Amino acid sequence: AQSVAQPEDQVNVAEGNPLTVKCTYSVSGNPYLFWYVQYPNRGLQFLLKYITGDNLVKGSYGFEAEFNKSQTSFHLKKPSALVSDSALYFCAVRDDSGAGSYQLTFGKGTKLSVIP
Amino acid sequence: ETGVTQTPRHLVMGMTNKKSLKCEQHLGHNAMYWYKQSAKKPLELMFVYSLEERVENNSVPSRFSPECPNSSHLFLHLHTLQPEDSALYLCASSQGRGLGQPQHFGDGTRLSIL
Repeated sequence: AQSVAQPEDQVNVAEGNPLTVKCTYSVSGNPYLFWYVQYPNRGLQFLLKYITGDNLVKGSYGFEAEFNKSQTSFHLKKPSALVSDSALYFCAVRDDSGAGSYQLTFGKGTKLSVIP
Repeated sequence: ETGVTQTPRHLVMGMTNKKSLKCEQHLGHNAMYWYKQSAKKPLELMFVYSLEERVENNSVPSRFSPECPNSSHLFLHLHTLQPEDSALYLCASSQGRGLGQPQHFGDGTRLSIL
């Protein structure tokens, strides 16, 4: 079975500082990894994905994520945080080993607060 | 125009009412999904539709009934709901069933059961 963990319910960072939102996963086969962001009263917006290839993936709004197979992690990063980055961030995973290719398994989410 | 549109944005209903949630996607996708988002819990996949089939989460109570008349429209019919059904209901779509295909979400319907 596939699973994803976001170990921090909340992350606080000062504006202009680098930010990291952590995600670890567990799959039987090869992982397909995604990050989404949710602003208040809105749906989830796709930020970036990892399928294969370069371990550093670049996405929307200056975000990037680093895939680490040995640590089964896919942490979201940004070099310089903006107040407008404050939102709820979700990591999600799919597994290519079995049935249910529709199903994305989501983490519980991490609330990011960027302090001015 | 928003790629995935959900109506209504807010809905308050009694436990004996019947109502429907509507989702429309303008992205040319051929797969659509219903999710339930409750506070402090991961997103819960409820239903999936593609051109060929429906995949149903076995834990979804029968008081939730999906309908997908074509690849652009998805409905969730509600009847005899319970207070624990209060949540944000999100619709999503994707192009195909590929493992690497991201899903695109609407802004959701906030449902409150009295």
